[in-house]
Amino acid sequence: ETGVTQTPRHLVMGMTNKKSLKCEQHLGHNAMYWYKQSAKKPLELMFVYNFKEQTENNSVPSRFSPECPNSSHLFLHLHTLQPEDSALYLCASSQGQEGAYEQYFGPGTRLTVT
Amino acid sequence: GENVEQHPSTLSVQEGDSAVIKCTYSDSASNYFPWYKQELGKRPQLIIDIRSNVGEKKDQRIAVTLNKTAKHFSLHITETQPEDSAVYFCAASEGNTPLVFGKGTRLSVIA
Repeated sequence: ETGVTQTPRHLVMGMTNKKSLKCEQHLGHNAMYWYKQSAKKPLELMFVYNFKEQTENNSVPSRFSPECPNSSHLFLHLHTLQPEDSALYLCASSQGQEGAYEQYFGPGTRLTVT
Repeated sequence: GENVEQHPSTLSVQEGDSAVIKCTYSDSASNYFPWYKQELGKRPQLIIDIRSNVGEKKDQRIAVTLNKTAKHFSLHITETQPEDSAVYFCAASEGNTPLVFGKGTRLSVIA
């Protein structure tokens, strides 16, 4: 399954570190998403980009900063995270941002904040 | 905004039995209802979806039913097999906004 790829697959970072997660989709889709998956909230939408424009920010703390340079790439920049931010971060893409399209998920980045 | 409730949170069935997972939604304007399956350590994948102009849809051993009046929809898996063990997520959308997911159901099929 290579439609949506994410790197790195695992990341351990301290609370003072700065790191970035990368997502790339090879499906020609126009919309990309970041989700946080944890035991408490299994699929929590964070951000939505449609044609490179951010269209949804689901009250995400500013220590998470998304970037979408083009329709194929999506980044999540992380800084001064908290231990409760440890989770699986999933990227997804779809043909359009509307909810009527199938979302294709990446394999996720397992983030541990120490 | 939309709110999706999913029940049960865990479900264990004997191999060969049927499994039913139920979801309710709050926004009467919602018209698209997909189901995603996430196997252990893997990414969520769409397995079936239904739109508000139909009441039932089948794909081999899985089916989804929709009751718009009651604002609930269900996933039915017949003749369950060990490979059906996974977490299943329902979702809803009125079409112009991103999907809202339920909290998931962990299904275990016991051989």
